[in-house]
Amino acid sequence: SSELTQDPAVSVALGQTVRITCQGDSLRSYYASWYQQKPGQAPVLVIYGKNNRPSGIPDRFSGSSSGNTASLTITGAQAEDEADYYCNSRDSSGNHPNYVFGTGTKVTVL
Amino acid sequence: EVQLVESGGGLVQPGGSLRLSCAASGFTVSSNYMSWVRQAPGKGLEWVSVIYSGGSTYYADSVKGRFTISRDNSKNTLYLQMNSLRAEDTAVYYCARDFYGSGYSWFDPWGQGTLVTVSS
Repeated sequence: SSELTQDPAVSVALGQTVRITCQGDSLRSYYASWYQQKPGQAPVLVIYGKNNRPSGIPDRFSGSSSGNTASLTITGAQAEDEADYYCNSRDSSGNHPNYVFGTGTKVTVL
Repeated sequence: EVQLVESGGGLVQPGGSLRLSCAASGFTVSSNYMSWVRQAPGKGLEWVSVIYSGGSTYYADSVKGRFTISRDNSKNTLYLQMNSLRAEDTAVYYCARDFYGSGYSWFDPWGQGTLVTVSS
């Protein structure tokens, strides 16, 4: 099955911009979705499709994609954005439906 | 309000069984794709299983043959029957509504999760 690779950790100064990347073969066929997870809480969808935000997600979150790489950008990071972020996509490599999650990126807001 | 609430987790011995439930409100389970996703302590997310609106079911290789996903339309509830449990099945199990189309998929919303611990 496919894998999605993310940097383990990134840091960003308060109010600055940070980009989180996700690489994998499945991203050539499927858009990534992105999830924010704070300690002890369930994941929350922040970006889906080409670049769509669910209701209630601030517009400082945006997504993009090129080739086998998807990116989540936080423009003007806030203290409350400190969390783990996971990408996800369908996995097109097998002969039955499958989904793959990224390895996760811990975002620290300084 | 669209909401999912899991229950049924707990401590079980290796080789034992457990059934998780996921009660939905604000939407109809049988009209949607529904998935289970798990997260081992301190680890990342792992997709476990999906049931399509038409009833087809699919599983991750790690649980195939041991876990069964199902739903009760009258109760608007999703289930995960887990048999032959192993220590490596220890995780928080989340249910999530699964959106899928040509070139895209996503999970929203997620339940709060229920902890399954497999240990003697």
